[in-house]
Formats: sequence, structure tokens, C-alpha cells
Amino acid sequence: AQKITQTQPGMFVQEKEAVTLDCTYDTSDQSYGLFWYKQPSSGEMIFLIYQGSYDEQNATEGRYSLNFQKARKSANLVISASQLGDSAMYFCAMRESQAGTALIFGKGTTLSVSS
Amino acid sequence: GAVVSQHPSWVICKSGTSVKIECRSLDFQATTMFWYRQFPKQSLMLMATSNEGSKATYEQGVEKDKFLINHASLTLSTLTVTSAHPEDSSFYICSARINRVQYNEQFFGPGTRLTVL
Repeated sequence: AQKITQTQPGMFVQEKEAVTLDCTYDTSDQSYGLFWYKQPSSGEMIFLIYQGSYDEQNATEGRYSLNFQKARKSANLVISASQLGDSAMYFCAMRESQAGTALIFGKGTTLSVSS
Repeated sequence: GAVVSQHPSWVICKSGTSVKIECRSLDFQATTMFWYRQFPKQSLMLMATSNEGSKATYEQGVEKDKFLINHASLTLSTLTVTSAHPEDSSFYICSARINRVQYNEQFFGPGTRLTVL
């Protein structure tokens, strides 16, 4: 079974609008971390935001916020006031509790922002 | 912030040759490095976990004799694709785990694009 599920292969949004990218996860660990990365066409992985499983507040970083619903095992990324430069592939990832384990990535969502 | 470099950034080689990709942590020591492979428009798939001074742990389905990983120092891990074939053409990305517990403890290299002719 997939550990990280991103059901939206592509999303389209206009500049200045908000957009939500969906992510659900599957783990039996109590302690885990959830990440979102942006990958532009250059290929570099840009860290956006992190949510720990014990964090009670939703994480926010500038225009990015993470809508964390633990009971539903969802960790959706909300981008407010979209910009043309936000066009990229976005990956949700999880790291389970064991120290040193690698990030597990979802299949990604391609976001296209138009003017 | 922590910086990870990869070299080369892109490489083209003939089928049957071997290619070495280097991953370096420039301003921190990394006891653990991870190697991922990414095909176009697809996700990052973990290939192996590399620990300094010990053998790499490979994910299921990854041929350890084909993808040789060496983590000889706390700042350098290498991935050698041996006897490369066109199906090995891909984007290879490494990440390095910083040697202290932080939530954002993995830092990614810029990737290496391998094309095998």
C-alpha cells in the first residue's frame, strides 16, 4: 500500500488565488514527520514546510500553510496568493519515527499558475 | 543553511560504460546519505541508504552490483552506475542527513541527469 498518496496529478490556478494540494498518508507510527517540497523544472528539491505528528498547531511558512488533520491522516498544502513562480511539481513526503530513515515521497502534483 | 553538492550535474555516456556520481555535504558532516532516482514526471524513488564506513542498504529491486555506493567519509558518498544501459537514464538525487536531530535534517543535492546512449 502506498504510504503517501497525492491524488491530483495536475492543478491549475490563476495568479493571486489560493490553491490546496492534497496529501494523505499511511503509517502506524505515533511519531512521524510530514514534509512538502517544491521541484521546479531545474530539478532541485526546495523544502517548503514541515509538520510533526505531535505538533498541535498547523505549520505555516510565509504563503505556505499545512492543513494537518491527524485523524484523517491528511496533510494538505495551501498556497495563498499564487504567483507565476509557483509553477512546479510539488511533493508530499513522510519520515517515520526510526532515526535515520529516508523520506518517502508521493507521486507529486504539477501546479500551473496562469496570469 | 546546509549545502549538498553533486557532481557532475549532467553526464552522457555510451552503453556499457560506468559512471560515477559524487555527493558531498559542504558545510556539515553527514553520517547518512540517501540516493534517489527520478524518472521524468515521476516521484523520487529511494534506491539506497548509505552510512559512513559501512555497506549501503539497498531498497528492494535495486541491483547492488549495478549501483555501487561508497560512503568513505562523513562528507562524501559516491554512486557508480556500472555497465550503464539506456534504461538507467534518469535523474539521480542524493540527500544528506545532518548529524544532529532536527526536523529538517535532510538536505538535497541539485541532482545529476544521466543519459545513456
